[in-house]
Amino acid sequence: KQEVTQIPAALSVPEGENLVLNCSFTDSAIYNLQWFRQDPGKGLTSLLLIQSSQREQTSGRLNASLDKSSGRSTLYIAASQPGDSATYLCAVRPLPDYKLSFGAGTTVTVRA
Amino acid sequence: DAGITQSPRYKITETGRQVTLMCHQTWSHSYMFWYRQDLGHGLRLIYYSAAADITDKGEVPDGYVVSRSKTENFPLTLESATRSQTSVYFCASSERDLYTEAFFGQGTRLTVV
Repeated sequence: KQEVTQIPAALSVPEGENLVLNCSFTDSAIYNLQWFRQDPGKGLTSLLLIQSSQREQTSGRLNASLDKSSGRSTLYIAASQPGDSATYLCAVRPLPDYKLSFGAGTTVTVRA
Repeated sequence: DAGITQSPRYKITETGRQVTLMCHQTWSHSYMFWYRQDLGHGLRLIYYSAAADITDKGEVPDGYVVSRSKTENFPLTLESATRSQTSVYFCASSERDLYTEAFFGQGTRLTVV
């Protein structure tokens, strides 16, 4: 069974600092890994999708890396802003299944 | 509106009552999923479906029933609601191509009293 872990569970940084969020998974046989953002009381918004064959994916201030062999992904958010405060979840889609396995999330607070 | 919508957004029901949560997507995605989100447990898969009339159990299916007669709809029914089913429920969908993204609805907050 695929296990997904996100450490730390919570993170607080001053505005402008770069954020580094970690995700690890136990089985490297995956289709892809997806990073989501969740604001309080809201649904999940997809941020980045990294295929198993890719090493990284970028969107604006966000960069996600994937090291499939070691079962790790890192989400970098450059020059954090208070609007980046949210919970960030990673999910893997393991082979040969089609359902996502989620980590518990990292709750980020960016202090103005 | 395009996308995936859940209804109702909020629901309060009494123990023992049957309640149905609705999920509708406009993309004709093959795969649909129901998750529940609870503090301390994260997102847990309840049921999922690969296509119309094809459904399968996830991690926590007890007390829930699903159906999928049409590709775009995937209702979740709590046959006899219990307090332990108080949670936030999320529906999601994705294309048949498993290398594509999954998209989530806004969630239904269900309280069983």
